[in-house]
Amino acid sequence: DTAVSQTPKYLVTQMGNDKSIKCEQNLGHDTMYWYKQDSKKFLKIMFSYNNKELIINETVPNRFSPKSPDKAHLNLHINSLELGDSAVYFCASSPRSTTDTQYFGPGTRLTVL
Amino acid sequence: AQSVSQHNHHVILSEAASLELGCNYSYGGTVNLFWYVQYPGQHLQLLLKYFSGDPLVKGIKGFEAEFIKSKFSFNLRKPSVQWSDTAEYFCAVNRALGTGANNLFFGTGTRLTVIP
Repeated sequence: DTAVSQTPKYLVTQMGNDKSIKCEQNLGHDTMYWYKQDSKKFLKIMFSYNNKELIINETVPNRFSPKSPDKAHLNLHINSLELGDSAVYFCASSPRSTTDTQYFGPGTRLTVL
Repeated sequence: AQSVSQHNHHVILSEAASLELGCNYSYGGTVNLFWYVQYPGQHLQLLLKYFSGDPLVKGIKGFEAEFIKSKFSFNLRKPSVQWSDTAEYFCAVNRALGTGANNLFFGTGTRLTVIP
């Protein structure tokens, strides 16, 4: 049983396109996250979404927009893709408390040509 | 804002050698500390975490870490590494309280290569 799943696993697209990455968790967690891992393996928080409260990392361009249709899903939509958006994007989820473990999805490798 | 430093970028060890990976953080308030591991081609998994109590915490696969508050450090250790420990190791921190406190701030990671 997959706890946190992401689709697609790989995404190759042209600059200027709009794309979405889907994330679903079946753990019943309250909070979901998106992280970006760059080519040097550095992981950076992009968003967290907890019970309809969205916390945005101020460094994230507004071309990136998370959408949460329900507590189990947090999708990432990216407009006008740029070369610098190429990275691996990880979704994660956790219960409400800050001491709780975050469970990560398998990642989506986005390549912008 | 908090930051996390991992000074070892790439560590190469022979099997059975002892391991210590450094992690320092900068944040004046109460924090929770985590070590995650990413095996080749896999997603991140939790190794261990500290949020209160005994500063020496034990995790999975024989790993442990010690929180030294005065040094703002949370170094990861293992007495004897195995080839299967080859992976990328990430130290992470979040704040114990406040808006967005759940958000994890990661170090740059340390790649561990264990030679059989």
